[in-house]
Amino acid sequence: DQQVKQNSPSLSVQEGRISILNCDYTNSMFDYFLWYKKYPAEGPTFLISISSIKDKNEDGRFTVFLNKSAKHLSLHIVPSQPGDSAVYFCAASGSFGNEKLTFGTGTRLTIIP
Amino acid sequence: KAGVTQTPRYLIKTRGQQVTLSCSPISGHRSVSWYQQTPGQGLQFLFEYFSETQRNKGNFPGRFSGRQFSNSRSEMNVSTLELGDSALYLCASSLDGRNTEAFFGQGTRLTVV
Repeated sequence: DQQVKQNSPSLSVQEGRISILNCDYTNSMFDYFLWYKKYPAEGPTFLISISSIKDKNEDGRFTVFLNKSAKHLSLHIVPSQPGDSAVYFCAASGSFGNEKLTFGTGTRLTIIP
Repeated sequence: KAGVTQTPRYLIKTRGQQVTLSCSPISGHRSVSWYQQTPGQGLQFLFEYFSETQRNKGNFPGRFSGRQFSNSRSEMNVSTLELGDSALYLCASSLDGRNTEAFFGQGTRLTVV
């Protein structure tokens, strides 16, 4: 069963606008969440994370929001830039990041110039 | 410093054969994790090695095995290959296994025919 779900396989956003990528999880034991970005022919790169003790974490243009009651998190990119075009993976872990990562299936973000 | 190196980058094997993939972590990193990426399944955790010991294991059959050497380099072996084993195999290294500090290699693309 898919414990981490990214229900949108793809998303297209105009350059300069906000990109919102969504992720849902089912396992209540997850307490640490991460977003990775992946370009073709490269490995995933860590982008931003959030612990379950917070509901928001911000790093430059990237903000992750966590809604524990809904078991939902989202990644906001503002403003979106062409270099943001990539596949974004949501991942979850227990023990505040010390356990194995469970990944979603990814969302392909395309920024339209 | 050099990143995570995976060899070979591409591999074609026949059903029933076995294959060995290699991962050289970043110098000083003692944890190596392996993931399988297939379309529609995202990244699925195979196993993690830390200081030559398997510390975590995912839900894969016993045909998938691995090991880690004293220099932290890791190998992954798949025996009796099946068509469904065709995937991108990624390894990630970190100092101590904390996921936020994990760096991924470019992966080995395995095709089973």
